[in-house]
Amino acid sequence: EVQLLESGGGLVQPGGSLRLSCVASGFTFNTYALSWVRQAPGKGLEWVSGISVSGGATYYADSVKGRFTISRDNSKNTLYLQMNSLRADDTAVYYCAREYPTLDYWGQGTRVTVSS
Amino acid sequence: IVLTQTPGTLSLSPGDRATLSCRAGQSVPSNYLAWYQQKPGQAPRLLIYGASIRATGIPDRFSGSGSGTDFTLTISRLEPEDFAVYHCQQYGRSYTFGQGTKLEIK
Repeated sequence: EVQLLESGGGLVQPGGSLRLSCVASGFTFNTYALSWVRQAPGKGLEWVSGISVSGGATYYADSVKGRFTISRDNSKNTLYLQMNSLRADDTAVYYCAREYPTLDYWGQGTRVTVSS
Repeated sequence: IVLTQTPGTLSLSPGDRATLSCRAGQSVPSNYLAWYQQKPGQAPRLLIYGASIRATGIPDRFSGSGSGTDFTLTISRLEPEDFAVYHCQQYGRSYTFGQGTKLEIK
């Protein structure tokens, strides 16, 4: 059974940093691209970032470019999202998702709240 | 690519047929258009990809159609568990989502 489990969310002050993790199981991790998608309270879905199978190619939404960094450790079946310079409008539930051919499996999400 | 979903809210009864629309601001490359279902407090679930291909385990009352800029998700006969929010997404040029359609019980 494919499972994705996010962690690392929480309350952070504006300008602060958080690192999200997503541990995968039930599939061959190093053969799938992965993405992070977020959903602000009461809003729609927003793709945030994606990473290729090897980690050699990364992609970002304009709203997070230069502030967020996606990475993966294929030896640990883990996807990461380093979030710096956080702003109030980054407040959302963050989901990791497997890509095949689009976002076919999602984790349950981790909540990030940016507030003073 | 901007996606616009209509209607914003759809009120129907179990057993009814539901038709949800997703219009793209420009042609979606290779018709790489997907539909997701999301229930409160849950992650989205992939229903349809490639505009018309049902994902694994999705009942055949769900069908997708369309091409270019106009796409439709049809639920042939609504079951109680189908009342949820539905999102369309294009993955032909980066990823973008529509704003969602809420399907509620009338």
